[in-house]
Amino acid sequence: SQKIEQNSEALNIQEGKTATLTCNYTNYSPAYLQWYRQDPGRGPVFLLLIRENEKEKRKERLKVTFDTTLKQSLFHITASQPADSATYLCALDPSGAGSYQLTFGKGTKLSVIP
Amino acid sequence: SQTIHQWPATLVQPVGSPLSLECTVEGTSNPNLYWYRQAAGRGLQLLFYSVGIGQISSEVPQNLSASRPQDRQFILSSKKLLLSDSGFYLCAWRQGDRGTLYFGPGTRLTVT
Repeated sequence: SQKIEQNSEALNIQEGKTATLTCNYTNYSPAYLQWYRQDPGRGPVFLLLIRENEKEKRKERLKVTFDTTLKQSLFHITASQPADSATYLCALDPSGAGSYQLTFGKGTKLSVIP
Repeated sequence: SQTIHQWPATLVQPVGSPLSLECTVEGTSNPNLYWYRQAAGRGLQLLFYSVGIGQISSEVPQNLSASRPQDRQFILSSKKLLLSDSGFYLCAWRQGDRGTLYFGPGTRLTVT
């Protein structure tokens, strides 16, 4: 069956360090892989999208890599700040026409400690 | 710019009561619309999606239903709530069948 796994439920890091979150998937052929941020009591907010033919995408302090051979995406936040504390979700858009479902992992709760 | 609204923000309902959650999108036309549920300690579960008026696809068989009476209106309903229906309900939209999903503020439902 299809499965999306995010490496850990919670991750604590020191302010200023780089946070690295992992998303692994099985039995998918994703066209796109996306990362979202969710704050408590709020809906997820889109951060980055990477296509199956892209290796890396950057946006300010954020970087996403996508390895379709390993079936893995890494999400990096450099120079982390306490304001980066949130739950981060990865999501997969499957390839194939008419595939409308965006499936989410359970998320990793990141805490950046001052 | 596009905006998505959901109401109510919070709801406490007894078991066996009906449910109606509403979602509207502004600033776009013919969006794909989605209902997700997030239960405590669990991930986002896709419940329904719609690619057009009156077109509903269900991902999870349960006592919930959805309707899309207008292009930018999506409604989640139940005739009789169960305790297991408690959770955070999120409406979302996007253009096309792939790409960025835009979420509403959510409805926190507690079934007692």
